[in-house]
Amino acid sequence: GNSVTQMEGPVTLSEEAFLTINCTYTATGYPSLFWYVQYPGEGLQLLLKATKADDKGSNKGFEATYRKETTSFHLEKGSVQVSDSAVYFCALRMKTSYDKVIFGPGTSLSVIP
Amino acid sequence: DTGVSQNPRHKITKRGQNVTFRCDPISEHNRLYWYRQTLGQGPEFLTYFQNEAQLEKSRLLSDRFSAERPKGSFSTLEIQRTEQGDSAMYLCASSLDFAADTQYFGPGTRLTVL
Repeated sequence: GNSVTQMEGPVTLSEEAFLTINCTYTATGYPSLFWYVQYPGEGLQLLLKATKADDKGSNKGFEATYRKETTSFHLEKGSVQVSDSAVYFCALRMKTSYDKVIFGPGTSLSVIP
Repeated sequence: DTGVSQNPRHKITKRGQNVTFRCDPISEHNRLYWYRQTLGQGPEFLTYFQNEAQLEKSRLLSDRFSAERPKGSFSTLEIQRTEQGDSAMYLCASSLDFAADTQYFGPGTRLTVL
């Protein structure tokens, strides 16, 4: 079946460090890919998305590129801030069936001053 | 746009009791989804509605679980004869229509079964 795998956390970085959170997917067709973020005590929010190969999603300094050849959608940010501390979920949704979102297990990020 | 709301935010119940959660989606959103999230895991799909029609149910949704969206607006999720394994965060999300990729999540209802 369709699934998402993410690097395990927790990840701890110093402020202004470079962030990469790896995400790979398995899908029988052509999914849309997402990164959702869950800040402490808050609900899930869509961070960015990409709907086809080679598309780059970006928001709030975060970027991720849809790589069909490696079935990956790694999240990156050049300089993290303390306020980026959260849990990040990679996810996919199949465009052929237009149904549910399938989430990865999440990666917890802590940014220390 | 007031966002997706869920009630109650927290529910503590004893094993064997029935509980019901409510979700109010964003106005005019046709799609409504229920997910369950346990500690340290990503949300897992339970079921979804297109207007009032329930289109898919996960195998996670045992016969003790039932969901409704009677008028295509708010939805309820009922768990009968709760078990300790039902303890989780229950999330509701809505989207404009079937093609809309962006799902908007509510804050969730945290269920604790003692």
